[in-house]
Amino acid sequence: EDQVTQSPEALRLQEGESSSLNCSYTVSGLRGLFWYRQDPGKGPEFLFTLYSAGEEKEKERLKATLTKKESFLHITAPKPEDSATYLCAVQPRSNYQLIWGAGTKLIIKP
Amino acid sequence: DAGVIQSPRHEVTEMGQEVTLRCKPISGHNSLFWYRQTMMRGLELLIYFNNNVPIDDSGMPEDRFSAKMPNASFSTLKIQPSEPRDSAVYFCASSPDRARGYGYTFGSGTRLTVV
Repeated sequence: EDQVTQSPEALRLQEGESSSLNCSYTVSGLRGLFWYRQDPGKGPEFLFTLYSAGEEKEKERLKATLTKKESFLHITAPKPEDSATYLCAVQPRSNYQLIWGAGTKLIIKP
Repeated sequence: DAGVIQSPRHEVTEMGQEVTLRCKPISGHNSLFWYRQTMMRGLELLIYFNNNVPIDDSGMPEDRFSAKMPNASFSTLKIQPSEPRDSAVYFCASSPDRARGYGYTFGSGTRLTVV
């Protein structure tokens, strides 16, 4: 069964304290893995798509990496404005649907 | 581009009333999705349209829910009659091509409260 598990559920960091969020997945053929950011009261905002193991993408303080079993979202020297829920989703080759993780709530304290 | 536009932003209605949620996708996107988000269940896909045609409505909870896409720039999700358990945030999302793994662009959502 295709599934996505994100960890931790919540993460509290001090401003400037780097860390990583994990997205583990099992899927019968990966078309793409997606990272989104969701702020309270808003829809998910697209961050990255990763297509194959070894691929990396960066945007400001965020860097996403992909292996055959998991993806990491590394956040370097975070700022309070990076506080949000980060969602991971995978799209199997056999299906158009995205399979969503439950998200990691990231809180960056000044 | 104004992004995906949803209306209303908030809706409070009494049990048994009809509720209609509206969505305008991004111009040129040929895939449209309706999602529901709750704390307990996260994001759930309700229905998917491709080129204005409903492709998969297996996520629609029951016959009380219906969705239409009369043209490429407009879609509606209707609940009739509404029930308290329908309270959730409903998102519309669009994508340029379902087959190529493009990210979805989500609207800001409609927060529905059924009392």
